[in-house]
Amino acid sequence: DAGVTQSPTHLIKTRGQQVTLRCSPKSGHDTVSWYQQALGQGPQFIFQYYEEEERQRGNFPDRFSGHQFPNYSSELNVNALLLGDSALYLCASSPGTTAYEQYFGPGTRLTVT
Amino acid sequence: GQNIDQPTEMTATEGAIVQINCTYQTSGFNGLFWYQQHAGEAPTFLSYNVLDGLEEKGRFSSFLSRSKGYSYLLLKELQMKDSASYLCAVRSNTNAGKSTFGDGTTLTVKP
Repeated sequence: DAGVTQSPTHLIKTRGQQVTLRCSPKSGHDTVSWYQQALGQGPQFIFQYYEEEERQRGNFPDRFSGHQFPNYSSELNVNALLLGDSALYLCASSPGTTAYEQYFGPGTRLTVT
Repeated sequence: GQNIDQPTEMTATEGAIVQINCTYQTSGFNGLFWYQQHAGEAPTFLSYNVLDGLEEKGRFSSFLSRSKGYSYLLLKELQMKDSASYLCAVRSNTNAGKSTFGDGTTLTVKP
């Protein structure tokens, strides 16, 4: 049973560029949440997708957007990249929005130069 | 607002017991999680407390006091592989995804 997978593993972008990160949830999970984790800090909630709609959102600007596909996989898009967007981006999946267990993927390390 | 505090770093000896504390102030409460995160890896779920008291799972136990806004993670019979960051997270509503995380406690286990 495959767990949560994310791609790419690492990514280097330049300020002002746009980036798309991808996540496939654990088998049987239909809910995907995205987090940003800066070095030395805990993950910060960006948003959550369920039934192809954004259900919850954290305190992130509109430059951060997402999408969920019918197969439950999800994308995170960040426009107009800033140096401060450099972080580990984690995807977590769960079987529904009220399940207490979340399974995290290995993350995508984004470096903005 | 949400505020979660945990010590930044702790050191303990192999075979010993260590307690990692977490205090929280949140606008709502619907459960507290502990995660383990090794350097460069994803967080892995350790425990979930929604009622007061102690939950034991093997070498790891987690305690919650909702009236005090306090939790701790207890690790027994420490092993070198327990060296990691331990994250406390609070769910403020029924949505598990929208959890607020502390900055983590980096535990170093020494021989």
